[in-house]
Amino acid sequence: QVQLHQSGPGLVKPSETLSLSCRVSGGSITSSSWNWIRQPPGKGLEWIGLMFNSGFTNYNQSLSSRVSMSLDTSKDQFSLTLTSVTAADTAIYYCATLHCSSVTCYIDHWGQGILVIVSS
Amino acid sequence: SELTQDPAVSVALGQTVRITCQGDSLRGYYATWYRQKPGQAPVLVIYGKNNRPSGIPDRFSGSASGTTAFLTITGAQAEDEADYYCSSRDTSVNLRLAFGGGTKLTVL
Repeated sequence: QVQLHQSGPGLVKPSETLSLSCRVSGGSITSSSWNWIRQPPGKGLEWIGLMFNSGFTNYNQSLSSRVSMSLDTSKDQFSLTLTSVTAADTAIYYCATLHCSSVTCYIDHWGQGILVIVSS
Repeated sequence: SELTQDPAVSVALGQTVRITCQGDSLRGYYATWYRQKPGQAPVLVIYGKNNRPSGIPDRFSGSASGTTAFLTITGAQAEDEADYYCSSRDTSVNLRLAFGGGTKLTVL
């Protein structure tokens, strides 16, 4: 059973960079695709971006100028970086698996979520 | 792509409820449905044409018509009270995902 273990700071200062990691256990990071989703407190889900195990990435257009993702196969880990954060980036951040076909995409495993607060 | 959901829906215990999701991308792609309870990560409920992961009761089903997808709960239970989100992939050229705004389901 795949499990995702998230880590990273819970507090980031405005204009700085948010960095989160997601370690995969119970499976290989090369056998799936991955994505990040966030949820501002009391609000809905927002898709941030995806990374295939080939290294291909694609991001939410509203965040694409500030976001990047990477894969570290030696550590079975994938990461999210979001630059120049503001209070609007305060949210619970989730890492998750991603499965896509020609007719659908779905997420069947989620990390535990990390609340990241942007504040000085 | 933009997906639109009703913010809130209620259903009497044991009755049937249908939660809707509208969006242009749903004309070509199946919606995926997630359930989220307070303080928890979302859980996959329906994916593909009408597939349920193991552990999801068969009272949950999915369907679609045109640009609208439906999540139906037949015989709603108290534990079904939650937020429900639909999701869809974008066009085949730009593989991106989008979520609907979510529907809060209240079981009366």
